Amino acid sequence: QVQLVESGGGVVQPGRSLRLSCAASGFIFSSHAMHWVRQAPGKGLEWVAIISYDGNYKYYADSVKGRFTISRDNSKSTLYLQMNSLRTEDTAVYFCARDLGLYSSSCWEFDYWGQGNLVPVSS
Amino acid sequence: QSALTQSRSVSGSPGQSVTISCTGTSSDVGTYNYVSWYHQNPGKAPRLIIYDVSKRPSGVPDRFSGSKSGNTASLTISGLQAEDEGDYYCSSYAGSNVVFGGGTKLTVL
Repeated sequence: QVQLVESGGGVVQPGRSLRLSCAASGFIFSSHAMHWVRQAPGKGLEWVAIISYDGNYKYYADSVKGRFTISRDNSKSTLYLQMNSLRTEDTAVYFCARDLGLYSSSCWEFDYWGQGNLVPVSS
Repeated sequence: QSALTQSRSVSGSPGQSVTISCTGTSSDVGTYNYVSWYHQNPGKAPRLIIYDVSKRPSGVPDRFSGSKSGNTASLTISGLQAEDEGDYYCSSYAGSNVVFGGGTKLTVL
């Protein structure tokens, strides 16, 4: 069955960097676009970024543009989120999520989610 | 990237029906049919229950239905059950990004 397992979270100081990983299994990873979505404690969901199935296009929320980088390694079925210049307002549970569409038919809807990984940004 | 507007809470008794609305703009809900709904229980990942406005993934009961009119999407849950409690979020494609609603807390009385 489809599984997405995030790792790499943990307490980080403001201004520092952190990289999250999301290991995928149970499906052909290279056939789906992938997303990161976050949820601040007690708050709603916020979309963060998308990467196409082949890594050729990436889009970001304005709140993270220029600081976060999404990437993928299809040979390892793994998605990444490099987070630089972290701010306290980046504190959230970060979910990786699979795009419902196949190949270039991304539909920006999420049919499978990881369990989430908490990233507290605090001094 | 303004959030979609959802009512904060809704409630109903077992067996009743409830509708949750999600209001956006002509830049998101009003233009695109990539509108989806997610159910989330505390401490858990969201679960997709409606996509493309009104389609149900396999395994989602037909008690859940979605629709859209203009800039507003709606989720209707009929025959409420205790396990339907939780938070419901709508989302919409908005042209190279996704916007979510603020979430609606459903209480089954």
